Amino acid sequence: EIVLTQSPATLSLSPGERATLSCRASQSVSSYLAWYQQKPGQAPRLLIYDASNRATGIPARFSGSGSGTDFTLTISSLEPEDFAVYYCQQRSNWPPLYTFGQGTKLEIK
Amino acid sequence: EVQLVQSGAEVKKPGESLKISCKGSGYSFTSYWIGWVRQMPGKGLEWMGIIYPGDSDTRYSPSFQGQVTISADKSISTAYLQWSSLKASDTAMYYCARLRGVVRDAFDIWGQGTMVTVSS
Repeated sequence: EIVLTQSPATLSLSPGERATLSCRASQSVSSYLAWYQQKPGQAPRLLIYDASNRATGIPARFSGSGSGTDFTLTISSLEPEDFAVYYCQQRSNWPPLYTFGQGTKLEIK
Repeated sequence: EVQLVQSGAEVKKPGESLKISCKGSGYSFTSYWIGWVRQMPGKGLEWMGIIYPGDSDTRYSPSFQGQVTISADKSISTAYLQWSSLKASDTAMYYCARLRGVVRDAFDIWGQGTMVTVSS
């Protein structure tokens, strides 16, 4: 089973700053890597799929990169509404196994 | 508007059975896989399984195989998650979510969640 490890567990930044979140896989996941944002009391929202493609309606300040085992979500300039928990997720080859990382909490400094 | 609407919160006792639902609208329900995701209080996301409503092909996470049953009724565009005998450890928020397109790599539409509380 592929394990996803996110770092840091908590990231404290101020609005306007750049955020860099990491997701490392225990073995290669090709490009089947997605990122989600979850705010308190809400369902997760898909931000990025296939490692680097923004989902519908996602602002351009969100970008994803990486391949193989190392992936990054970057928020270029933090807005107040961006403070939330972020999860990465991968899909193994069919038949599927979907795995989530443990999450990174992005909090206001 | 594409959406998944889940049934309301449930409070149950250990040993009771439960079936929660997820109704899709605004798209072809039979053409997309639907998944279920558990989130225990204060914890992260765990994938439970997926179903293709078109033919009810179902795949389970090894962690949840035998613990829950996933089903669908395509005539009413609804997927289900059920337990035959609940445990206190089943207390969690449960989300249904649609798998994205042919690649099936990510969950692009999510339901609002159903909170299940199991307590004596």
